[in-house]
Parts: sequence; C-alpha cells; structure tokens
Amino acid sequence: ETGVTQTPRHLVMGMTNKKSLKCEQHLGHNAMYWYKQSAKKPLELMFVYNFKEQTENNSVPSRFSPECPNSSHLFLHLHTLQPEDSALYLCASSQGSSSGGTGETQYFGPGTRLLVL
Amino acid sequence: ILNVEQSPQSLHVQEGDSTNFTCSFPSSNFYALHWYRWETAKSPEALFVMTLNGDEKKKGRISATLNTKEGYSYLYIKGSQPEDSATYLCASGDSNYQLIWGAGTKLIIKP
Repeated sequence: ETGVTQTPRHLVMGMTNKKSLKCEQHLGHNAMYWYKQSAKKPLELMFVYNFKEQTENNSVPSRFSPECPNSSHLFLHLHTLQPEDSALYLCASSQGSSSGGTGETQYFGPGTRLLVL
Repeated sequence: ILNVEQSPQSLHVQEGDSTNFTCSFPSSNFYALHWYRWETAKSPEALFVMTLNGDEKKKGRISATLNTKEGYSYLYIKGSQPEDSATYLCASGDSNYQLIWGAGTKLIIKP
C-alpha cells in the first residue's frame, strides 16, 4: 500500500463517452502527477500539479482535462477519446517544493486500465 | 530532449545468481536519477534516488551506482531470488518536475 489510491481500476468506454479518473493521496504531499503507459513504451508524463498549480503539460490533447481541487485529489476528465488512448493511467505524488522536484521520490497508485472502443 | 535507455530489455537469471543492468541518460542538465521496481499488478516502487557523481546506494541485496559525467547508472542484484522478478525502471530529470523514463528491464528469476 503506497498511500495513493486510484479509481476505477478498470474502465471501458466508447469514443463518445465522458468519464473521469480519480486519484487520492494520503501522504501529505503537495505535488501530483498523471502518467500514461502504453504497451511496451516508457511512462509518459502528462500533467504535473505542484501546490495545486499546473506546472507541466506535455502537449497532451485537449480531450484529456486535469483537475486538482486540493493537494490530496487529482482528476483526469476524459471525453471523446480515441482507441489509441487505451493505456494504463498512473497517478503519483511527491513532497512538492518551490525549487523543482525531479529529486523527489514519487509514490504511485495502482493505475487505471483504460480501454476505448 | 532527454532520452533514457535501459538495457537489456529483458533478462532471465537463475535463482542464486547475481546480475546487473544499465540505464544511460544524457549527462547535460542532470539533476537526479531514480530506480523503481514494478511488479506485475502492483504500483511502481521507489528503490533509489541518486544525485551526485559516484553515488552508490544499497538496499539489502540490491545496489546502484551513478556516473553523471558519462551518463550511466548500473543496478546490481546479488543472489537473485524469485521475489526479485519485476520490471526495473530508471528515470532521469532536470531540476523541474519532468522525469524522463526508460522502457525498463524485465527481470525473470528461474527457480
């Protein structure tokens, strides 16, 4: 148990659906991340929030919309997805700081396995 | 653009044998190197974070070294056990929040 939970664990959706992924961390961290992992590819960073402010957006298509209402919760809203968006979506958190964060250990949730039909 | 490479892609090791694998990363703008272990159906779990050239870290039978000048890190596992079977990921980053991840080395321990 890493202290980071994600729901749902599995999701099947059609291309016209709207759904949301939820991540919650119980570690008192201030930085949260969304990653995408496609089969046999490295983890791809999608979004980073540090103290509720979005600090990274790696040219992610607008059909993915993140929301960070507070330091403990992170959402990824999905709409009109494509079959190539099928992947494992991982959430992570880290301590968070004003000086930059790649030296911080990230704690990962179990992921949401998404299938877009 | 950072590019992190890991080799080999997969590795079969006999139980009890020792093994090692490599992570290479661009040495410019280096800030930190991470190793994670990812078991099937579980979350990636942090092993080490290293920042200084020549750093060596150890956790039980697992250790790692870092060479920031030439841009590589080695992960060593001594006396492999079945529970070491996992995918080992490395990631490198600059001072911002963007870690660049390798594709991983999948380790399978044969009993």
